Amino acid sequence: GQNIDQPTEMTATEGAIVQINCTYQTSGFNGLFWYQQHAGEAPTFLSYNVLDGLEEKGRFSSFLSRSKGYSYLLLKELQMKDSASYLCAVRDRTGNQFYFGTGTSLTVIP
Amino acid sequence: EPEVTQTPSHQVTQMGQEVILRCVPISNHLYFYWYRQILGQKVEFLVSFYNNEISEKSEIFDDQFSVERPDGSNFTLKIRSTKLEDSAMYFCASNPQGAAGNTIYFGEGSWLTVV
Repeated sequence: GQNIDQPTEMTATEGAIVQINCTYQTSGFNGLFWYQQHAGEAPTFLSYNVLDGLEEKGRFSSFLSRSKGYSYLLLKELQMKDSASYLCAVRDRTGNQFYFGTGTSLTVIP
Repeated sequence: EPEVTQTPSHQVTQMGQEVILRCVPISNHLYFYWYRQILGQKVEFLVSFYNNEISEKSEIFDDQFSVERPDGSNFTLKIRSTKLEDSAMYFCASNPQGAAGNTIYFGEGSWLTVV
């Protein structure tokens, strides 16, 4: 089976740093993905890890530890527009399926 | 930048009716997907499609659902005899390379309301 866990909600202050954690237990693994989803819109791709370690893309970084089944998304210099749901997704071994967590709703406050 | 397009953006249908949701994947992509997201819940995998056939499907994708690629550009999801619980946002997605690709690209979604 597939089990992907994220915190339901987080609040952070504009300009600050926030870390959104994701733990997973899946029967196969071929990459972990983070997506941003604003209400009523499609998920948009943020980052991708397939090997252990940190991937940095501007204000966003994502970390993966395959042995621990753990990832986090780090958002720096938070802006009001970063208020959104952040989805953690695991791609299965075949590459055909992406399993999503329930998403973390992030609210950025002034 | 190429994008996945979906129609209609919104559809209201009566329970028991059939609906067809349409998608035009990115032109050079080979793998296509349908996902759904019930309001306030997580994105759920329905089906993946490659080389003109279903490659995987979830438990949700039962006999009520079918997919088709009727021509070289469209990818459709048909829902027969709709139920209230089919009300959701349906996302089409595509991927150029399957397992070797970095991500899947989502369309803007079709919001289905069954009344």
